[in-house]
Amino acid sequence: DQQVKQNSPSLSVQEGRISILNCDYTNSMFDYFLWYKKYPAEGPTFLISISSIKDKNEDGRFTVFLNKSAKHLSLHIVPSQPGDSAVYFCAASGAGGTSYGKLTFGQGTILTVHP
Amino acid sequence: DVKVTQSSRYLVKRTGEKVFLECVQDMDHENMFWYRQDPGLGLRLIYFSYDVKMKEKGDIPEGYSVSREKKERFSLILESASTNQTSMYLCASTQSGTQYFGPGTRLTVL
Repeated sequence: DQQVKQNSPSLSVQEGRISILNCDYTNSMFDYFLWYKKYPAEGPTFLISISSIKDKNEDGRFTVFLNKSAKHLSLHIVPSQPGDSAVYFCAASGAGGTSYGKLTFGQGTILTVHP
Repeated sequence: DVKVTQSSRYLVKRTGEKVFLECVQDMDHENMFWYRQDPGLGLRLIYFSYDVKMKEKGDIPEGYSVSREKKERFSLILESASTNQTSMYLCASTQSGTQYFGPGTRLTVL
């Protein structure tokens, strides 16, 4: 049972335009959401996160939106740059002392930004 | 600065060999994780540890075991490597919330 889903395996965008990556989740106990970026042959690097008490968090060119009622989050990158080309993973974490910081990841979306 | 290191970037092993993958973190984190990443499947949790000598199975523990003798070190063991264990293996650590990842080990089993 895939609790975190990224339904678009890939996305292609022109440099300077907006990239929108989407993620859906099914577990209503998730209360903390993260986006990671991964280049080939490297480990994922943390990009941005959002707590369930917020509906938006912004960091430079990156903004994450959370719609709790729809169990949906999205990552907006504006403007997109060729260096943003990578695999993007969304991840979710549940509340409670026994979570141990455990994350559930989506399948990933390959973003390609064309010059 | 946060640092998670993995013992090898690339590894080639033969079917049936015992394989050790090591991970070290310098952040004094309680929790450490092993994932494998395969195209189209995302990151799947193999095992995690929330304290020295403590471990919990993740989503795909079959064919793997782990060891955590010291807080900073978490080892993944493939008891008898098989070709379907060819993958990218990623280690991560966290205190809570954000996980920090190592560079990964690309393991090929022939």
